[in-house]
Amino acid sequence: LAKTTQPISMDSYEGQEVNITCSHNNIATNDYITWYQQFPSQGPRFIIQGYKTKVTNEVASLFIPADRKSSTLSLPRVSLSDTAVYYCLVGLNSGYSTLTFGKGTMLLVSP
Amino acid sequence: SAVISQKPSRDICQRGTSLTIQCQVDSQVTMMFWYRQQPGQSLTLIATANQGSEATYESGFVIDKFPISRPNLTFSTLTVSNMSPEDSSIYLCSVADGLLGNQPQHFGDGTRLSIL
Repeated sequence: LAKTTQPISMDSYEGQEVNITCSHNNIATNDYITWYQQFPSQGPRFIIQGYKTKVTNEVASLFIPADRKSSTLSLPRVSLSDTAVYYCLVGLNSGYSTLTFGKGTMLLVSP
Repeated sequence: SAVISQKPSRDICQRGTSLTIQCQVDSQVTMMFWYRQQPGQSLTLIATANQGSEATYESGFVIDKFPISRPNLTFSTLTVSNMSPEDSSIYLCSVADGLLGNQPQHFGDGTRLSIL
């Protein structure tokens, strides 16, 4: 079971780029790395998923080094509405039951 | 992505009673999951529900306490039985259209349950 470690909290200001790093030292060969965002009173929302190198979509980028023992979620030019909890998940190829939500990172964006 | 609707969105129940939570998806999906989230805490997987088979429960969760139905590819229910105050939590349904764990899950907004 690939365990993840993230900072408990991060602070930023509007307009800045925010990078949240997740450590997953025992990631398995077939594991994917997935990030979710959760606002209060809502379910987690899928942000981005990757396997290696770099993945970019309309809201974020995901950087995965060659050894895949960590990953970095990059949020460009954050706004107040990006204040949320961000979860990094690493999954084994045996299925979803091995996916474990860690404690997540509480990102607070200030004006 | 799939749109997931949960009912009820919240409820207040008396201890010893049972409540059934419904999860409806707007498209057919392979896998459905039920999670519990204590206020301010992370999510804990209760069980995986696949259509046509018995639900698979995670350690610490049993069928007698949390019976699950999955009658078709768009619907599932979770019952919280013989409730006690310790069952006060948010219960979330999620779905994924794949078997190997490399398809992202999509979540409903949860059912906030309070037990008096």
